Amino acid sequence: GAVVSQHPSRVICKSGTSVKIECRSLDFQATTMFWYRQFPKQSLMLMATSNEGSKATYEQGVEKDKFLINHASLTLSTLTVTSAHPEDSSFYICSASKGGWYGYTFGSGTRLTVV
Amino acid sequence: AQTVTQSQPEMSVQEAETVTLSCTYDTSESDYYLFWYKQPPSRQMILVIRQEAYKQQNATENRFSVNFQKAAKSFSLKISDSQLGDAAMYFCAYSPTGNQFYFGTGTSLTVIP
Repeated sequence: GAVVSQHPSRVICKSGTSVKIECRSLDFQATTMFWYRQFPKQSLMLMATSNEGSKATYEQGVEKDKFLINHASLTLSTLTVTSAHPEDSSFYICSASKGGWYGYTFGSGTRLTVV
Repeated sequence: AQTVTQSQPEMSVQEAETVTLSCTYDTSESDYYLFWYKQPPSRQMILVIRQEAYKQQNATENRFSVNFQKAAKSFSLKISDSQLGDAAMYFCAYSPTGNQFYFGTGTSLTVIP
């Protein structure tokens, strides 16, 4: 149990366009989901906490208008990178929590390349 | 702000030998959680081991064990009987709640046959 699916695994988009990344909990309801960003050969940096039915909480320095997060159901959170630029190219990973002290599971990540 | 420091960017170990990866962290909280995650080339994050700060006993998972020194804010990972499959990037992580994570910069572990 506790499987998290992330889609797409890879995406290439043109500069100025928007791209949506989906994170789904397949076999459990995720009260909270998290979005991370990882630059090549670097660590994962927490971007935001996504709570079902409420606004996301962004970490300091993360542009909420650029990285739109929607957690419309207990099994789906989406991250939309708006007006993407080459510097937004990165590896984005989500994780989902069952709530309480159950730990959580990471998705397999999305490689975004903006050209 | 919480910070996690891994001072060893790269480590290597002979197969079947033991290696220890270092991690220190900074927090003003008394209750928190610490984790070691493994990230192989596939980029999938895999939980290796976790430790609750209120527990004095060091966590152990088969060949993996930790040395948790709360006063020193140190959380090292020991891998015994290293296997080729252990080769990966290892991240130490701090969590105030057990859910969101603040990761260190990672240690790349090479296992030499």
